[in-house]
Amino acid sequence: DTGVSQNPRHKITKRGQNVTFRCDPISEHNRLYWYRQTLGQGPEFLTYFQNEAQLEKSRLLSDRFSAERPKGSFSTLEIQRTEQGDSAMYLCASSLGDSGPYGTQYFGPGTRLLVL
Amino acid sequence: AQTVTQSQPEMSVQEAETVTLSCTYDTSESDYYLFWYKQPPSRQMILVIRQEAYKQQNATENRFSVNFQKAAKSFSLKISDSQLGDAAMYFCAYRRNSGGSNYKLTFGKGTLLTVNP
Repeated sequence: DTGVSQNPRHKITKRGQNVTFRCDPISEHNRLYWYRQTLGQGPEFLTYFQNEAQLEKSRLLSDRFSAERPKGSFSTLEIQRTEQGDSAMYLCASSLGDSGPYGTQYFGPGTRLLVL
Repeated sequence: AQTVTQSQPEMSVQEAETVTLSCTYDTSESDYYLFWYKQPPSRQMILVIRQEAYKQQNATENRFSVNFQKAAKSFSLKISDSQLGDAAMYFCAYRRNSGGSNYKLTFGKGTLLTVNP
């Protein structure tokens, strides 16, 4: 296993620009989660995929956010018209299953976004 | 909704000593998992230990062990023989184990552990 990877690791953008992040889960993990972590806080759930299907989105995910997971492999998270409040660490996690020990989520290194 | 509370924003321990990090949670569910994750500075979050709610025996992983008190909804992490590499932010997290479609993690705010040489 190569682990969960995320790119880019850091992104600085100007307010109003669009940004896209990528997450590559652990091979054969069909569950993929996106979380957002702001300074001094624990991660908060954003959205969740089972294979290519996006099953749930948090109320934190405004209309400016969209996530995809084509073919059930890697996932992308796009933020349109970025705002300074979007500055955060965006974490991706994957798991083999939902429940039991197979539902244990493994995290990537995150993408740190700074909106100027 | 489930909530996870970590009441110690910061803790410190001397190298080779033992430290206990506290976590309490609130849920109406009976089937769930609890986790401790470690997030070193500028590095990725890694799993430290997990506990299934239906298991009475406390989980252990080398120098890490938990004290799981289901009735009290308490889940503390004990680190024995602390090492400099244990310095990190530690997060307690809850995950349901049945009865739904979203098995997201709910995290506490974290405890920053400093290890003094």
